[in-house]
Amino acid sequence: EPEVTQTPSHQVTQMGQEVILRCVPISNHLYFYWYRQILGQKVEFLVSFYNNEISEKSEIFDDQFSVERPDGSNFTLKIRSTKLEDSAMYFCASRGTGGTEAFFGQGTRLTVV
Amino acid sequence: AQSVTQLGSHVSVSEGALVLLRCNYSSSVPPYLFWYVQYPNQGLQLLLKYTSAATLVKGINGFEAEFKKSETSFHLTKPSAHMSDAAEYFCAVSSNTGGFKTIFGAGTRLFVKA
Repeated sequence: EPEVTQTPSHQVTQMGQEVILRCVPISNHLYFYWYRQILGQKVEFLVSFYNNEISEKSEIFDDQFSVERPDGSNFTLKIRSTKLEDSAMYFCASRGTGGTEAFFGQGTRLTVV
Repeated sequence: AQSVTQLGSHVSVSEGALVLLRCNYSSSVPPYLFWYVQYPNQGLQLLLKYTSAATLVKGINGFEAEFKKSETSFHLTKPSAHMSDAAEYFCAVSSNTGGFKTIFGAGTRLFVKA
């Protein structure tokens, strides 16, 4: 069964460093999303992406965040200068054209120290 | 705008008892509704979804949910709880006018007592 794959599963980084979280969406999907879940809290929408541009972003998705589809298979979330409060689980999701459901990856746990 | 309210951040049941997790949604357009389960330090697993077909939706692991438009509810039930059901459960909503972004509720942690 096709699935969304995220790497790494866990990343530890020092405050102020840049991190790139990687996602491989389901191969024929064209709509992509990133979500964040701070430990013990709910899952929050960050950004949606379609046709090589951001469709919508939340207020959380400020200038330190960016997304990119660098090639035909990867979808990345970059955090430019990490802060302690960026520590969270980050989920990638993808959706096919005409689909009503986004499929979620297993997440990347980011720990900023 | 869409939103989800889950009543009860913690629910405790005995093994073999009925599980009822409550979810109410707000949406100005026809919603798509989902229940996800999350085990500790793991990702989100889809339990079931409502996408405007049958109002009673059956999912995995014996769970089901009923869409009630008049009550704007989508409560999750399971007739008999197992110890393995202990986890965090999230109700979520999306719509085509929202670009199908998924809006999650705050979650309900289910405890199952032996």
